[in-house]
Amino acid sequence: KAGVTQTPRYLIKTRGQQVTLSCSPISGHRSVSWYQQTPGQGLQFLFEYFSETQRNKGNFPGRFSGRQFSNSRSEMNVSTLELGDSALYLCASSLASGGADEQYFGPGTRLTVT
Amino acid sequence: AQTVTQSQPEMSVQEAETVTLSCTYDTSESDYYLFWYKQPPSRQMILVIRQEAYKQQNATENRFSVNFQKAAKSFSLKISDSQLGDAAMYFCAYRSASNDMRFGAGTRLTVKP
Repeated sequence: KAGVTQTPRYLIKTRGQQVTLSCSPISGHRSVSWYQQTPGQGLQFLFEYFSETQRNKGNFPGRFSGRQFSNSRSEMNVSTLELGDSALYLCASSLASGGADEQYFGPGTRLTVT
Repeated sequence: AQTVTQSQPEMSVQEAETVTLSCTYDTSESDYYLFWYKQPPSRQMILVIRQEAYKQQNATENRFSVNFQKAAKSFSLKISDSQLGDAAMYFCAYRSASNDMRFGAGTRLTVKP
């Protein structure tokens, strides 16, 4: 079974631009969560989607948004990029939302904002 | 709010020896789940072990075991017979039935040959 895939793997953007990151979950998984990982803040939860509905949202500004499609693939969008948005963005999928379900992580997208 | 604390930013262990990574958490909920995730230098996170709070028995997965102390809100990870491949960042995580996953700051484990 193929793992979680994220595209692109690396991205360089300029302040003020917007960016869209993509995540394809493991086949059959209906929940997709997004995390931002930085050396200073560690792993922070962005949002979770389950069956095309946002289930939970972390404490991030409205510039961060996401969506999930009917095939469970998910995208996250960051508008008006700031230097502080430079981070590794991780996507994780699981069969269900919440609980003890194991989250399977993708390799991440490394975003650099200049 | 649920918080997860890993008080050891870095740990070191000799190959074949045993090491324990500490984790404490704060919650007012009674139903929750605890996890240890490993992030090797290649960056892909993988689950090491999980524990349901309602289970008193400590979880074990081969060389990995936990010491779950619910009253003390402590969830430590013991790695026995450490191997070079165990070198990684280890994250303790908490999740309730309806909430998002909360991660600790991580512990970087170095394994010395």
